[in-house]
Amino acid sequence: DTEVTQTPKHLVMGMTNKKSLKCEQHMGHRAMYWYKQKAKKPPELMFVYSYEKLSINESVPSRFSPECPNSSLLNLHLHALQPEDSALYLCAPIMILLGSSYNEQFFGPGTRLTVL
Amino acid sequence: RKEVEQDPGPFNVPEGATVAFNCTYSNSASQSFFWYRQDCRKEPKLLMSVYSSGNEDGRFTAQLNRASQYISLLIRDSKLSDSATYLCVVNPYGQNFVFGPGTRLSVLP
Repeated sequence: DTEVTQTPKHLVMGMTNKKSLKCEQHMGHRAMYWYKQKAKKPPELMFVYSYEKLSINESVPSRFSPECPNSSLLNLHLHALQPEDSALYLCAPIMILLGSSYNEQFFGPGTRLTVL
Repeated sequence: RKEVEQDPGPFNVPEGATVAFNCTYSNSASQSFFWYRQDCRKEPKLLMSVYSSGNEDGRFTAQLNRASQYISLLIRDSKLSDSATYLCVVNPYGQNFVFGPGTRLSVLP
């Protein structure tokens, strides 16, 4: 397990609020993913950070702003969200298996976001 | 055709039954395969990784058929606690992880 923590566990916000989600891992994994998951759907990729640099942005609206201040921390800043943005937001570091080119992905517990 | 497809489910089986899920993928460059289980309102948890022909862990067996591009998950002696959604995930070389839609399993007493 990668011992990934995400805070807060639950967040309720209005459409005019500014809030941030936080993801921390202390296993030294250098690639981290943000996913959004709606009910009864699989996770949907939002962003990928590799070595603290944004490497993939899956056409996510600018009201979501990711930030990677260091290799252990990933933030997702939220502003002017819409009710349809209500979902489970998951952070997932990638672990590279030693001596191979294989990666494994482990998910944090997620933040359940409700936008009113 | 979707990149990763799974049995639509739901599967409702009695305790002790053996159940098998199938997953097909379209990208022949896929090199890593995973089964995750996800409980309601929780995060997906890695159940099994498959890099060669298959993998076995207790009551769970995954089989990979590269020629036909499918991977299966067999659960023997089902427990009530096995009730969850099972996600098939494929990782093509140099690309991101691709998720199937999931198959819901309910194990009934």
